[in-house]
Amino acid sequence: ETGVTQTPRHLVMGMTNKKSLKCEQHLGHNAMYWYKQSAKKPLELMFVYNFKEQTENNSVPSRFSPECPNSSHLFLHLHTLQPEDSALYLCASSQDPGTTDTQYFGPGTRLTVL
Amino acid sequence: DQQVKQNSPSLSVQEGRISILNCDYTNSMFDYFLWYKKYPAEGPTFLISISSIKDKNEDGRFTVFLNKSAKHLSLHIVPSQPGDSAVYFCAASRNSGGSNYKLTFGKGTLLTVNP
Repeated sequence: ETGVTQTPRHLVMGMTNKKSLKCEQHLGHNAMYWYKQSAKKPLELMFVYNFKEQTENNSVPSRFSPECPNSSHLFLHLHTLQPEDSALYLCASSQDPGTTDTQYFGPGTRLTVL
Repeated sequence: DQQVKQNSPSLSVQEGRISILNCDYTNSMFDYFLWYKKYPAEGPTFLISISSIKDKNEDGRFTVFLNKSAKHLSLHIVPSQPGDSAVYFCAASRNSGGSNYKLTFGKGTLLTVNP
C-alpha cells in the first residue's frame, strides 16, 4: 500500500450505532488530519494530530472522537450520530503541520447516517 | 462565513484552449495558497501553490496568479486536456498559532475539458 488509505470506503449506520473510521499513511509523515465534506460545502478541518498529539479541534461535537495511536494511524470513532453528519470524511497527512508542507489525502469514507 | 470562495461551480472548455479557474478570499491573514485537484472516488491531490510574497508560480501547464490587493487568485491551465477534467479546490493557509497551519478550502469548481 502506498500513500494514504482509508477504510471503509462506504459506511451506512443508524443513529444509535457505534462505528470507527480508519486511516493509515505510508509516507512517514508526522501530522495527520480529519476533514469533513458535506454536500454543497467546502472541506472543513475537524482535527489535527502532530506526533500523535491532538493540536487542533475545530469545535467538533463530542460524538466524533479521534484517536491517534501512532504517527501512521488515525481513527475517528463515531457514536450517536445525526443524519446531518452524513458526509465524505477525508483523512490527510503531511510531514509537519508547522510548515506549509503539502497535505496528502486519502480517498475518503462516504458516511450515511439513517 | 466563507473565507475562500469559488464562485463558479462549473467550467467547460475545449481541449487545447486555456482553462481559468478563479478564487477569492476574505481573510488578509492568509499567506499561502494552494490548488488541489480531485477525481471522483479519489481524495484531493496537490497541484500547485503560491506564497503571498509572490504573484505568480508556474509548473508546466499550470500557472497560479495571486493578486493580494484584490484578494484574488486564479489557476490557468494551458493547453487544457481531457484528463484535466476534475473538481479543482482552492485552499488558503495561515499560521493558526502554535505549530499549526490550517487549510481553508473553497467549495470547488468542476472543470470539464471537451475533446
